[in-house]
Amino acid sequence: QQQVKQSPQSLIVQKGGISIINCAYENTAFDYFPWYQQFPGKGPALLIAIRPDVSEKKEGRFTISFNKSAKQFSLHIMDSQPGDSATYFCSGGGADGLTFGKGTHLIIQP
Amino acid sequence: DAGVIQSPRHEVTEMGQEVTLRCKPISGHDYLFWYRQTMMRGLELLIYFNNNVPIDDSGMPEDRFSAKMPNASFSTLKIQPSEPRDSAVYFCASNWRGGRGTQYFGPGTRLTVL
Repeated sequence: QQQVKQSPQSLIVQKGGISIINCAYENTAFDYFPWYQQFPGKGPALLIAIRPDVSEKKEGRFTISFNKSAKQFSLHIMDSQPGDSATYFCSGGGADGLTFGKGTHLIIQP
Repeated sequence: DAGVIQSPRHEVTEMGQEVTLRCKPISGHDYLFWYRQTMMRGLELLIYFNNNVPIDDSGMPEDRFSAKMPNASFSTLKIQPSEPRDSAVYFCASNWRGGRGTQYFGPGTRLTVL
């Protein structure tokens, strides 16, 4: 499986701030880039996803920015809230399945 | 729909014992995935099935691991013999579109091998 590199490994943001998580991929055959959110004791759940024909996708406070030429994409969480505290995984998908990044443990301090 | 169902939720066993994890995918989904999650290695794809047929098992760590999907509503992941380094949370997920669609994860099985 081709790698998806994710950073930072952990992140602490003040309530109301912007949380930014970055990912880079190697496999140019990826054509689907979902982000998953995982709370302790639960399975990951889809948060937001983008396809490489667009450069940005926004859903509420969550935005994916996608740079196809650089093979990089990022998740921005605006007005971060304590309820956003979770582990976030970026991933790249295609015909061969889905490859996840190592995850970012996000803590939003009240 | 009840979502993806996994059993057991927790399993504690001793080294050398056989462990069987079970998964019931969401009805109508034709892809099923098995993942392993650890702090060190993150979320790793072990194997996935399409229409009950194993498509890619390159993530299966070694011959001690095996997976089956005898029908569209049931899959097993077996470890025999188990080792302490197999301790992890094992997730099952299912969907309609394989790597190109939303995967619906089960609650996971936390395996501890003593």
